[in-house]
Amino acid sequence: ILNVEQSPQSLHVQEGDSTNFTCSFPSSNFYALHWYRWETAKSPEALFVMTLNGDEKKKGRISATLNTKEGYSYLYIKGSQPEDSATYLCALSANTDKLIFGTGTRLQVFP
Amino acid sequence: NAGVMQNPRHLVRRRGQEARLRCSPMKGHSHVYWYRQLPEEGLKFMVYLQKENIIDESGMPKERFSAEFPKEGPSILRIQQVVRGDSAAYFCASSLRQRETQYFGPGTRLLVL
Repeated sequence: ILNVEQSPQSLHVQEGDSTNFTCSFPSSNFYALHWYRWETAKSPEALFVMTLNGDEKKKGRISATLNTKEGYSYLYIKGSQPEDSATYLCALSANTDKLIFGTGTRLQVFP
Repeated sequence: NAGVMQNPRHLVRRRGQEARLRCSPMKGHSHVYWYRQLPEEGLKFMVYLQKENIIDESGMPKERFSAEFPKEGPSILRIQQVVRGDSAAYFCASSLRQRETQYFGPGTRLLVL
């Protein structure tokens, strides 16, 4: 059974702080790593899909890196804003189309 | 440019009744996925369908659950004879092609009394 772990479970930061979280996954049968941003009562919003070892993706103040050999991805948020408050999910796509989700990191940014 | 649509958003059923959850994928998307979030748990894959075909149903409970994606119309997740343990949020996602980004709908929250 493939297991995707995310840490920390929750994070409270002050507005303006930069922060990062980790997603760990088994590196065998890797196809892609997805990051989603999920606000309460809304749909999970796709942020990034990464497939190659060493991939780095950026969207505004949010960026992500991927290491498929050691089985981890980092998500970084530079200069956190209250509107960044959400749960950040990573999901592994292995040798099938289904996504295997981690339990998420819940970020709260205080003004 | 409508996203993935699900209805109803909230559904209340009594034990033993049937629940039908609908998902309209994004325009042009022919790949549909259903996921379930049980209370205090993460999103878990249930089933992957392409038009008129079930591709992967490895996450579906063996009994009472079925899914379809007909040639015309939305994808339907059907739960027969619901029990309290079926209470969960059910999310649908769609993609344009295999192995590409999955775009999620807002979910249907099912409550079984």
